[in-house]
Amino acid sequence: DIVLTQSPATLSLSPGERATLSCRASQSVSNYLAWYQQKPGQAPRLLIYDASNRATGIPARFSGSGSGTDFTLTISSLEPADFAIYYCQQRSHWPRTFGPGTKVDIK
Amino acid sequence: EVQLLESGGGFIQPGGSLTLSCVASGFTLRNYDMSWVRQAPGKGLEWLSSIIGSDDTTYYADSVKGRFTISRDDSKNTLYLQMNSLRAEDTAVYYCARGSGTPDSWGQGTLVTVSS
Repeated sequence: DIVLTQSPATLSLSPGERATLSCRASQSVSNYLAWYQQKPGQAPRLLIYDASNRATGIPARFSGSGSGTDFTLTISSLEPADFAIYYCQQRSHWPRTFGPGTKVDIK
Repeated sequence: EVQLLESGGGFIQPGGSLTLSCVASGFTLRNYDMSWVRQAPGKGLEWLSSIIGSDDTTYYADSVKGRFTISRDDSKNTLYLQMNSLRAEDTAVYYCARGSGTPDSWGQGTLVTVSS
């Protein structure tokens, strides 16, 4: 199975700051990587698919990059609604796997 | 508007069985792959199973293979997850989601608690 590792586990930042989240795969997943946002008590929301494509309705402050084994989610300027947990997920191989998540909290 | 509504969760003893349902609206189920994903309390997301829309091929995580069965009833636009031989570690919120690669729409989830 492909193991996804996310870092850091927690990111403490202030509104307006830039957030950089990392996801590393145990083997190449090409560009078949997605990012999800989850807030407490809510279902995950798709942010980025295929490494760098924003899903419908996702603001431009969210961007994704990377290919192969190393990927990054960047939030250019944090807004209060962005404090949440972020998961990466690969669709390159079965079984589909998720990373353990990065929590972005308010500093 | 795409909507997914799960039901069927509840409290069940170890070894028991439960069937979850997910009613889809705003799209035709047979035209899409569908998946089940769960989240144990305070933990991350775990993909469980997917069913391919074009040919009904199914995939399972090792943790549920042989115990859980994914299926759908296109006439009811409903996805199912039959869960047998439930264990305490199956306690989680269960989500249905549209898509088998990158699910783009998710239900709100249904809680399954396995405990004696």
